[in-house]
Amino acid sequence: QKEVEQNSGPLSVPEGAIASLNCTYSDRGSQSFFWYRQYSGKSPELIMFIYSNGDKEDGRFTAQLNKASQYVSLLIRDSQPSDSATYLCAVKLSGGSYIPTFGRGTSLIVHP
Amino acid sequence: EAGVTQFPSHSVIEKGQTVTLRCDPISGHDNLYWYRRVMGKEIKFLLHFVKESKQDESGMPNNRFLAERTGGTYSTLKVQPAELEDSGVYFCASSRPGEVSTEAFFGQGTRLTVV
Repeated sequence: QKEVEQNSGPLSVPEGAIASLNCTYSDRGSQSFFWYRQYSGKSPELIMFIYSNGDKEDGRFTAQLNKASQYVSLLIRDSQPSDSATYLCAVKLSGGSYIPTFGRGTSLIVHP
Repeated sequence: EAGVTQFPSHSVIEKGQTVTLRCDPISGHDNLYWYRRVMGKEIKFLLHFVKESKQDESGMPNNRFLAERTGGTYSTLKVQPAELEDSGVYFCASSRPGEVSTEAFFGQGTRLTVV
């Protein structure tokens, strides 16, 4: 089982809709969770991080963490074509590691 | 503030040749990381420098890879001799002292193709 799993997609949503991106992780002791956005040919950029169970909102983005079920999700409200990118989930696993482990990323396409 | 810069942006070399990738972190960032993404796979951690010291090199695939960070500024990653499976995008990232990777900033990557 991969440590951090994401559906590679592509996930296609119409402009204005809510895009829901999901990520599951295998290490129950994981503490920190990150969402990066990567445009084609560009570097990954951090858009959200979350440590506690529940929701964390920042503008149109909401990160949701459920440690019991070992998943973290990213919701993008009012999706725009400019949100089209690959979204990478990263998890800091337990056991003293402080380097995040990345999933493969989910490709999101927002069509007008 | 200049971001993390990597050079070259693309490199095509033949199997058996040597290639050196360079990363210039953001000024003042003691933490420097190398990652690699092979096509269709996830971004994989290679190693982590704190200033000039290798803090964690558990992700280095084999001894054909050598990373250095002399003087604690820029870093190089040398692959010698390169093999076909080394092809991928090599990312460098940096973060401030004490903030290990919460706010890591990535460079645009070097796309390495070994033919």
